[in-house]
Amino acid sequence: AQSVTQLGSHVSVSEGALVLLRCNYSSSVPPYLFWYVQYPNQGLQLLLKYTSAATLVKGINGFEAEFKKSETSFHLTKPSAHMSDAAEYFCAVLTGRRALTFGSGTRLQVQP
Amino acid sequence: GAGVSQTPSNKVTEKGKYVELRCDPISGHTALYWYRQSLGQGPEFLIYFQGTGAADDSGLPNDRFFAVRPEGSVSTLKIQRTERGDSAVYLCASSQGQGTDTQYFGPGTRLTVL
Repeated sequence: AQSVTQLGSHVSVSEGALVLLRCNYSSSVPPYLFWYVQYPNQGLQLLLKYTSAATLVKGINGFEAEFKKSETSFHLTKPSAHMSDAAEYFCAVLTGRRALTFGSGTRLQVQP
Repeated sequence: GAGVSQTPSNKVTEKGKYVELRCDPISGHTALYWYRQSLGQGPEFLIYFQGTGAADDSGLPNDRFFAVRPEGSVSTLKIQRTERGDSAVYLCASSQGQGTDTQYFGPGTRLTVL
C-alpha cells in the first residue's frame, strides 16, 4: 500500500527564513505526489504536484519540492517565509485506485 | 469560474439521526471524490465516482454510509443512524477524470453529532 509520512506536526519559522516541510513516501510503484495547503476554514488548495516529469517541481506562492527516489522523499521548501504562508500543509500520494492518501499534516507558523 | 461547492457548511445533528451532505462539482468534471477529515488528521478517502457510478467505495467505513451521483454531476453523501464518531469535516473534490488530473476541493461540511 502507498502511504506518506510527514515529519513534524508543527513547524515554526521567522518571517524571511527558509521553510522546509518534510514528506517521505512509501510506494511499490512510481508515485504521483502532491502538496496541498489548507488555510483556516477553507478547502485544500494544490501547491504543486510531481507526475514523473522533472524531479524539481515549482508551485504557487514561491514553493517548490524535489522528488528524491533514493531517499523516498518529496520535501517542500520556500526560500523566504511570509506571514501569509501560515497554514496547514498536507503531502499526498495518488494510489492506483485514483484516490489521494494524505499525510497527517504540518502546521506552519510564521513569527514576525 | 465557480469552484466546488458544498452544502451545508455546518450541520449539527443528534445521535441516531439521518443526514445528507451535498456536493456540486466543477462543471464538466467527470470524477468526484468524498473524503473525511477528523480533527488533527489528514483527509481520508471515502468514495470515488466516475460519471454516475461509484468506481471505488472501499473507503466507506460501514453500511451506514452511502453516496449517490444520479446524473453525473451533483453528489449526495448520506449517513444513517449517525454516531458521535462520525463528527468530522466531509470534503468533496472533483477532477476532469483523466489520470493524474488535479483534484479540486470544496470548503467542506463540518458535521457535529451530539
